[in-house]
Amino acid sequence: QKEVEQNSGPLSVPEGAIASLNCTYSDRGSQSFFWYRQYSGKSPELIMSIYSNGDKEDGRFTAQLNKASQYVSLLIRDSQPSDSATYLCAGLPNDYKLSFGAGTTVTVRA
Amino acid sequence: DAGVIQSPRHEVTEMGQEVTLRCKPISGHNSLFWYRQTMMRGLELLIYFNNNVPIDDSGMPEDRFSAKMPNASFSTLKIQPSEPRDSAVYFCASREQETQYFGPGTRLLVL
Repeated sequence: QKEVEQNSGPLSVPEGAIASLNCTYSDRGSQSFFWYRQYSGKSPELIMSIYSNGDKEDGRFTAQLNKASQYVSLLIRDSQPSDSATYLCAGLPNDYKLSFGAGTTVTVRA
Repeated sequence: DAGVIQSPRHEVTEMGQEVTLRCKPISGHNSLFWYRQTMMRGLELLIYFNNNVPIDDSGMPEDRFSAKMPNASFSTLKIQPSEPRDSAVYFCASREQETQYFGPGTRLLVL
């Protein structure tokens, strides 16, 4: 079993809708979590980090963390075609090694 | 800031040849990571350097892979001899606090 599991997708949403991405993790020692966006043929780019329970908002993105349930999510509000990408969830079970999920591919339909 | 720089961006080689991938981390970042990404296995950590010292090389697949970091601004990942199953995108990343910044990657195809 992978350390970090993501809902496999792919996820297709109409423009303007909310895209909801989910991730669970197995190591309770993980304290920090990250969402990376990766466009096709490009490198991963950090879009959100979250360290404590609750919600963290940044523009159209909201990350949610529930350590009791070992659950991390990312909401993309008012989805745009430019949000079409693969989103990677990552946890940090020690001080350096990111454990990445397999990624969820999101397509926003115009 | 130029970000993490990798070269070459694309490499096509024949089985058995030596391949050397290069990375220049962001200036001032003390940690450097080499990753491999494939459709089957996703993004995997190969090796982690801190202050130019290899700390964790448990992800290096076998002895054909080696990595060096002779100074704070340069690292290499070498595959010798290369095999078709090594075909992947290889990323280098450097870190500031807990944030890792990825380079553009080297797309390697071994025929």
